[in-house]
Amino acid sequence: DTGVSQNPRHKITKRGQNVTFRCDPISEHNRLYWYRQTLGQGPEFLTYFQNEAQLEKSRLLSDRFSAERPKGSFSTLEIQRTEQGDSAMYLCASSPGTSSTFGSGTRLTVV
Amino acid sequence: GENVEQHPSTLSVQEGDSAVIKCTYSDSASNYFPWYKQELGKGPQLIIDIRSNVGEKKDQRIAVTLNKTAKHFSLHITETQPEDSAVYFCAASIEAAGNKLTFGGGTRVLVKP
Repeated sequence: DTGVSQNPRHKITKRGQNVTFRCDPISEHNRLYWYRQTLGQGPEFLTYFQNEAQLEKSRLLSDRFSAERPKGSFSTLEIQRTEQGDSAMYLCASSPGTSSTFGSGTRLTVV
Repeated sequence: GENVEQHPSTLSVQEGDSAVIKCTYSDSASNYFPWYKQELGKGPQLIIDIRSNVGEKKDQRIAVTLNKTAKHFSLHITETQPEDSAVYFCAASIEAAGNKLTFGGGTRVLVKP
């Protein structure tokens, strides 16, 4: 078990472009979470999945954001029409139902 | 929704001394309180957690205490070492409501040799 894997580690994109991040959770973890962390702040919850079902979305998740977890395995987070305010670290975590294990995150810079 | 406050925001200690970080939460329904350590360029790493049916938990040099009545919990690190230098986050969640975490603002700990 190699832990939670996130790709890419870094992404620089121009404002207005679409980006997609991938998260591979620890195998057999049925819960998968996405968080966003800006510099000097704690992570903020965005959304979570129980298997393939997306059970909750934060109001931080605007219409430009969409997340999927097909077949309850890996997950993708897509941001459409990126804005400079989207620049942040996007963290994925997985859990068997109790404690969460985080990946190393994808750092997004929108220029 | 839940709100978690964390103090201090920075903490400088001499190697071998103790470090204490305090957090308060607002939602009395919260029943799971993990602590994470985050090093530069890495994701948060769970170091210890406590549930609301326990008042104190210890793991080697790390201990956590919980006061449900006052809605606050604390992290204690004894005999600090330079490798303890990092940013520490407290968090709170309701286990039956998906266990999504609400984090405090973080404490940057610097252990001086």
